[in-house]
Parts: sequence; C-alpha cells; structure tokens
Amino acid sequence: EAGVAQSPRYKIIEKRQSVAFWCNPISGHATLYWYQQILGQGPKLLIQFQNNGVVDDSQLPKDRFSAERLKGVDSTLKIQPAKLEDSAVYLCASSRIGTANTGELFFGEGSRLTVL
Amino acid sequence: GENVEQHPSTLSVQEGDSAVIKCTYSDSASNYFPWYKQELGKGPQLIIDIRSNVGEKKDQRIAVTLNKTAKHFSLHITETQPEDSAVYFCAATHNTGFQKLVFGTGTRLLVSP
Repeated sequence: EAGVAQSPRYKIIEKRQSVAFWCNPISGHATLYWYQQILGQGPKLLIQFQNNGVVDDSQLPKDRFSAERLKGVDSTLKIQPAKLEDSAVYLCASSRIGTANTGELFFGEGSRLTVL
Repeated sequence: GENVEQHPSTLSVQEGDSAVIKCTYSDSASNYFPWYKQELGKGPQLIIDIRSNVGEKKDQRIAVTLNKTAKHFSLHITETQPEDSAVYFCAATHNTGFQKLVFGTGTRLLVSP
C-alpha cells in the first residue's frame, strides 16, 4: 500500500512569513497526526484528528499554527507568522485505529522547515 | 502528563556486539510502549512494541523488556549490523481516551563494521 505522502520536503522562509504543509495519509486510516521534530529531539505531537474532527491540539501554538483535515482525508498544517524556533521537521502520521496506543503509527518522510 | 527519558543519547558498537537502550516513564497509567527507528531523511518506523501485561517480547534480533514497578523499559539489539545504524525512539502512552504518544529524546546508534 502507498505510504503517507507529505509535501514539500524542504522549505526555507524568512521569519514572519507563512508556510503550509500538506499530508495525504494511508487510504482508510481514520486518525491523522502532525508532529514537530526539532533537531536532536523526539517528535512532539501538535495535533491529532479522528476523521475530520480534532481530538487533541493541546500542544499546538494556536496563535500562529493552524491545521485542518477536510473530508477526513488530506490535511494541511499552516504556520503564520513563522518564528526562528519553528525550524524543525514536520512529520505527518496516520493510523488505522483511533488511539495512538492500540496501533502502529505510519509516518511520512517529513517536511523540513528552515526559518531565517 | 507523561514524560519519557531515554539514555544514552549516542551509542557506538562494533558489528556483532549487542546494544541496549533504556527509557523511563513517569505516568504509572501508561500501558503501551513502542519503539521506533528513524533512518536519515525518513520518518520513524515501528520496530517493536510491548504492552504492560507482558514483561518481555522478542522479534528475531530485537527484544524489549518492561519493568512496571520501576517504570522503565529497554530495547535490546543482538548481533548488531551496520544497517542497524539509525536513531531509535522509545515512546509511551495509555488507553484512556485519546491519549497522545510521548516520545523520548532518541538514541543515535552507530554500528561500525
């Protein structure tokens, strides 16, 4: 089966600019996750969708980050305005089952953001 | 909330040696502990997981042990090969509602031929 697709793979922007990342999960996966991975750290969950509803966005900086999952399939993550500390790899993942603890998460290759 | 600590941050071994990575967690309610392997430029990939109703699980050269009392779990890789070189992440969560998976900080494993 096709894996999780993400684009773009790399993005360089200046601070205060905006950026958007796109994710297409594995077909049939109900749950979609966006993780932020800062260099040298483990992935940190930003937001989790169950179908097209948000089930956890407690660690999403809502003053600058937004995410949506239309029709319960593709998702976009937007940052506006970007800050230097937003430089990271943004990983999208999906899973068959609703909770992260009962099934494997399948990750995309990530979108690397550099904010200058 | 859950906090996962992972050690060591880097680990260098010779091919054929064993490697052990250790993690501790803070939330006694956590009951699911996966391990992910991340190769350069790739997303993490699940290699093994363990649930709190068992103490050990093996899959060929990889094994994971869990000590619920001490709240720590470990990854053991035997007969290491150069292709085992990667960053390994432990994680923890529990099955009460939509609990998020909390990752450790990662261990960079380098296996030298």
